Amino acid sequence: QQKVQQSPESLTVSEGAMASLNCTFSDGTSNNFRWYRQHSAKGLEVLVSIFSDGEKEEGRFTAHLNRANLHVSLHIREPQPSDSAVYLCAVTNAYKVIFGKGTHLHVLP
Amino acid sequence: DPKIIQKPKYLVAVTGSEKILICEQYLGHNAMYWYRQSAKKPLEFMFSYSYQKLMDNQTASSRFQPQSSKKNHLDLQITALKPDDSATYFCASSQDWGGGQDTQYFGPGTRLLVL
Repeated sequence: QQKVQQSPESLTVSEGAMASLNCTFSDGTSNNFRWYRQHSAKGLEVLVSIFSDGEKEEGRFTAHLNRANLHVSLHIREPQPSDSAVYLCAVTNAYKVIFGKGTHLHVLP
Repeated sequence: DPKIIQKPKYLVAVTGSEKILICEQYLGHNAMYWYRQSAKKPLEFMFSYSYQKLMDNQTASSRFQPQSSKKNHLDLQITALKPDDSATYFCASSQDWGGGQDTQYFGPGTRLLVL
């Protein structure tokens, strides 16, 4: 059973400082990885999808995938207070998408 | 304009009753899904449909029954409601089903509270 763990649970950064979020998974055969953002009481917004080892950038959001280390990360450049939300890591294994519990990001002005 | 509509936004029900959660997508997608998000738990996959056919069911209870009257509709009927069913239920869709190649897009959710 695929397990997806996110860290830290909560992260506070100042506006403009880089924010780095981590996600580890247990099954190295997983083939697709996505980061979503969820603002309070709202739906999920997809930020970046990554399918192969290396880096994928979408605007201020950059995902890094290292399958050998079972690790995918999200880096947010120049975060703003409006980026305060829960960030969810989603790992696709066969036909199932497994989500982590999320990292609560707080960006201080 | 919202592309995935979920109705109602909030729902309060009494234990033992039955409710239907509505989902419509206007993205032209062929696959639709239901997920549940309970307090302090990860978003949990429930069902997937492709061209109105059930592809995967990870819900142990038969009290949860998806219903697809059209390709862009996937409603969720919940019978004999229990307080543990209290959660936010998200509908999602993707261009096609399978392999995770296609991004799943999520609706705003229906927040259900069972008293």
